[in-house]
Amino acid sequence: NAGVTQTPKFRILKIGQSMTLQCTQDMNHNYMYWYRQDPGMGLKLIYYSVGAGITDKGEVPNGYNVSRSTTEDFPLRLELAAPSQTSVYFCASSYGRSGANVLTFGAGSRLTVL
Amino acid sequence: AQSVTQLGSHVSVSEGALVLLRCNYSSSVPPYLFWYVQYPNQGLQLLLKYTSAATLVKGINGFEAEFKKSETSFHLTKPSAHMSDAAEYFCAVSDNNDMRFGAGTRLTVKP
Repeated sequence: NAGVTQTPKFRILKIGQSMTLQCTQDMNHNYMYWYRQDPGMGLKLIYYSVGAGITDKGEVPNGYNVSRSTTEDFPLRLELAAPSQTSVYFCASSYGRSGANVLTFGAGSRLTVL
Repeated sequence: AQSVTQLGSHVSVSEGALVLLRCNYSSSVPPYLFWYVQYPNQGLQLLLKYTSAATLVKGINGFEAEFKKSETSFHLTKPSAHMSDAAEYFCAVSDNNDMRFGAGTRLTVKP
């Protein structure tokens, strides 16, 4: 049982480049999330999805895009990378939306934009 | 809007000493409260959660937290720290729509 799998673990981008962070879960969870973690700031929600074909913005969506074509996959795309997007990105999933539902996290993807 | 404040970005204790990590929340509805732990180079893992069943919640690895409505607090404690407890700890508050995380507290355990 792999849980939530993220790739790549590390990536260095130049300003203006684009890339996609991949996220796959094998728990048949309906809800999936992308967070970014910055030192001293905790986790901020970028985008979330309530099921295949349905996505919505979180707290800090600017500069990112997502899609959800299947229950399992929830890729995060960075267009025109900027130094402000240097961060650690976490994908998470849950059976239900917030409330008492526990989030299962991936191991994270560390992105540096130079 | 709900929010979480974790008091102290860094806490250092000696091995065997009491661990106390502080969390205060703000919520307009009865909250669900969580503590997650993040070990180096890993994702967050659930330590324990409060869902209104009992005010004292026991979690994994000997941790527990007490929900105090009058103080809007959900502090995390462990009677005796172990070297393996060194990690970053996040308090989170959730309603039916959103989960908000605190800024995190890094726990260091000295031998």
